[in-house]
Amino acid sequence: DSGVTQTPKHLITATGQRVTLRCSPRSGDLSVYWYQQSLDQGLQFLIQYYNGEERAKGNILERFSAQQFPDLHSELNLSSLELGDSALYFCASSVEVRRGPRDTQYFGPGTRLTVL
Amino acid sequence: KNQVEQSPQSLIILEGKNCTLQCNYTVSPFSNLRWYKQDTGRGPVSLTIMTFSENTKSNGRYTATLDADTKQSSLHITASQLSDSASYICVVSEGPKYGGATNKLIFGTGTLLAVQP
Repeated sequence: DSGVTQTPKHLITATGQRVTLRCSPRSGDLSVYWYQQSLDQGLQFLIQYYNGEERAKGNILERFSAQQFPDLHSELNLSSLELGDSALYFCASSVEVRRGPRDTQYFGPGTRLTVL
Repeated sequence: KNQVEQSPQSLIILEGKNCTLQCNYTVSPFSNLRWYKQDTGRGPVSLTIMTFSENTKSNGRYTATLDADTKQSSLHITASQLSDSASYICVVSEGPKYGGATNKLIFGTGTLLAVQP
């Protein structure tokens, strides 16, 4: 158990809909990362938040957005869903000491999103 | 374009045997390289992290090497066990361009290892 929790575990929805994925980081971790893992692709970095502020952006679509709240939990919002958005979405957290990119990221169990 | 390539794509070995997985990268600027183990349907778990000044790093039966000149890394698994069956992912962290810290990570597509009895 990494200490990172994600809800829900599974999500099935229809095209065009909007969903929200939730992540609670490990106690004490200030940084949260979101990743997408499709069946035929590796992990794709989406976005990172540090202590409530956006820190780095990867291949995140404009239909997707995220935020980190004062209690450090984070939500990833996916809208106008398409079939191709079906994937595993992972959240990871780290202490992320400022100017210290070597710290370990701890991954949650993931949310499996199926868009029908 | 920053890329991370892993080989082989998949590998089958017998329990107790050793194996070596390869990772080549073109990420620049380079900050560090990580190896993760990902069981099917679960989140990746970190095995090792190395900066450009580190040539080797061990974690139990896992030993990672890094050649920053040739931009190559390997993960050697000794005396494999059935529980080693998983996907092994090489991840390179892009270094800060203007002095600020960044954790932008570029992931390889992984090597799927199957250890058979």
